[in-house]
Amino acid sequence: SQQGEEDPQALSIQEGENATMNCSYKTSINNLQWYRQNSGRGLVHLILIRSNEREKHSGRLRVTLDTSKKSSSLLITASRAADTASYFCATDLTGGGNKLTFGTGTQLKVEL
Amino acid sequence: GAGVSQSPSNKVTEKGKDVELRCDPISGHTALYWYRQSLGQGLEFLIYFQGNSAPDKSGLPSDRFSAERTGGSVSTLTIQRTQQEDSAVYLCASSLWRGLAGGPEKDTQYFGPGTRLTVL
Repeated sequence: SQQGEEDPQALSIQEGENATMNCSYKTSINNLQWYRQNSGRGLVHLILIRSNEREKHSGRLRVTLDTSKKSSSLLITASRAADTASYFCATDLTGGGNKLTFGTGTQLKVEL
Repeated sequence: GAGVSQSPSNKVTEKGKDVELRCDPISGHTALYWYRQSLGQGLEFLIYFQGNSAPDKSGLPSDRFSAERTGGSVSTLTIQRTQQEDSAVYLCASSLWRGLAGGPEKDTQYFGPGTRLTVL
């Protein structure tokens, strides 16, 4: 079963705009990781945020974590056509071993 | 350095046949994970190795599925008597061991390109 729900399921924006994706989860976590997937194949790791962190940045990416609301958001600024992909959040659950539990994903399309 | 590699990239098999999927983790990564991604089920965990032992096999869907890891490196996922519902992309990931001190890099799981399995 899926731990996380992502919102929206699909997002279409124009190049240069910002894209925000949200992820909610149900139980306590050690960390939360965001991944990108192109064409239904390999997952590319984007960023990891620990449960004691509230915000992290990496290039055009900004991730926030609110453990009280059990939610995270991924912001991509100044989007490019190459950002078109599916984005997944994955949680490393407390007491869950090292496995990741994935959300349902957001399909982002960036149009020229 | 080289990333996680998987072979074959695509596998088409007939129902009832056995298949073996291979994963080569990043050198030095002691933790290895198998996941699968199928329509309607999303990405789901199958099994996790720490070294050559598997502390968590909870995601294996049936006893037709098994996995082993030798030499703390290469892992093979075997599916016996394949069924059509086994059709999916099988993804492997590796990470440094959580028990090590250090930054978030030790917890990050790096994924391979996957094997697309089609059972006819």
